[in-house]
Amino acid sequence: QQQVKQSPQSLIVQKGGISIINCAYENTAFDYFPWYQQFPGKGPALLIAIRPDVSEKKEGRFTISFNKSAKQFSLHIMDSQPGDSATYFCAASKGFGNEKLTFGTGTRLTIIP
Amino acid sequence: GAVVSQHPSWVICKSGTSVKIECRSLDFQATTMFWYRQFPKQSLMLMATSNEGSKATYEQGVEKDKFLINHASLTLSTLTVTSAHPEDSSFYICSARDTPSDGYTFGSGTRLTVV
Repeated sequence: QQQVKQSPQSLIVQKGGISIINCAYENTAFDYFPWYQQFPGKGPALLIAIRPDVSEKKEGRFTISFNKSAKQFSLHIMDSQPGDSATYFCAASKGFGNEKLTFGTGTRLTIIP
Repeated sequence: GAVVSQHPSWVICKSGTSVKIECRSLDFQATTMFWYRQFPKQSLMLMATSNEGSKATYEQGVEKDKFLINHASLTLSTLTVTSAHPEDSSFYICSARDTPSDGYTFGSGTRLTVV
């Protein structure tokens, strides 16, 4: 019940295209869903996060779509750029306070010219 | 935004020695910090939850005597890898959260290589 499943494992997108990464969760107690971007040799950096009271959140080129009934959420990167090439992790946690994050398995995104 | 500083960024040690990794919250107080381990091309694996002034909570399968965690102040948590062996070589990352409405901020990670 603590799993967060992420797909695809790797993704190649042409520059200017849309990158889409999907995650699914099982635990209905999860109520915080962040996406992290990680470059090699660095710690993850928070990109964008959503709570289940909204179905979509947009920040610049990054959008989270959230489907509570399907227990799925996805990250869309519009106008993908070579600098977006990184590993992306979805995660989930429950409640406010210091609840631990459960991470997805990661997606290695490569943007080609 | 909240900043978590981790030190050192990389360390090489001999097998059998101990290594200490520091994690500091620079502009906020963190009653709880988290320690993760990440192998190449894999996800982050939570090792333990560090609680200020009390014992850490370790995840199943993590040896508490090998990975000593101390959270002596509201801004500092340390992870000591005792009697390190080559299989302990990994990327160790800490994280903390400023307020419940904020996201978790991660340190820059520590690359440990045991030779």
